[in-house]
Amino acid sequence: GESVGLHLPTLSVQEGDNSIINCAYSNSASDYFIWYKQESGKGPQFIIDIRSNMDKRQGQRVTVLLNKTVKHLSLQIAATQPGDSAVYFCAENGAAGNKLTFGGGTRVLVKP
Amino acid sequence: DAGVIQSPRHEVTEMGQEVTLRCKPISGHDYLFWYRQTMMRGLELLIYFNNNVPIDDSGMPEDRFSAKMPNASFSTLKIQPSEPRDSAVYFCASSLEGWNTGELFFGEGSRLTVL
Repeated sequence: GESVGLHLPTLSVQEGDNSIINCAYSNSASDYFIWYKQESGKGPQFIIDIRSNMDKRQGQRVTVLLNKTVKHLSLQIAATQPGDSAVYFCAENGAAGNKLTFGGGTRVLVKP
Repeated sequence: DAGVIQSPRHEVTEMGQEVTLRCKPISGHDYLFWYRQTMMRGLELLIYFNNNVPIDDSGMPEDRFSAKMPNASFSTLKIQPSEPRDSAVYFCASSLEGWNTGELFFGEGSRLTVL
């Protein structure tokens, strides 16, 4: 069940390599950011979050970096695996009345 | 916990028909959200509830859309009458603490096709 657009930016990664997914957020007042992963036919799934008082946060195989100066967020996935193939969304809480607003998404394709 | 449960998973209907989508949030979660996902507009928040009370419905496209949460374990999103442009995947999500302090748990979505 395809649930996202066919014209998403796509990142092709060799299995085992590191992936970097970028996101430009819109509101300088946003103070909370989340990365979600959406596999085909499923709902978005939380990966990692970060608050604006931090510039880096690490999870299991994932790292989120926040650059408030240029309003940029990135998600790094170490040793990318086939199961990482999905669409990745960043979300911020300040763009629309303090509601969580999702970006357009990036599709990651992992090549064996 | 089984997670957020949505039904139906797929619905195909004809223009003008009433559509009702259902959601069972995770037990104990005080917040419930309805999102719509389309190719053109991505993920959009339609409405959210806190403790069964609608807090913000500014994302509901028009009067044809309505949502209710009669109790803490059930919510519906109704479209009457449905139109082809309503075709999308509708997601329900729940959370313990809202947006700023916790993650949203999404259901698997209801794919609606209006012919």
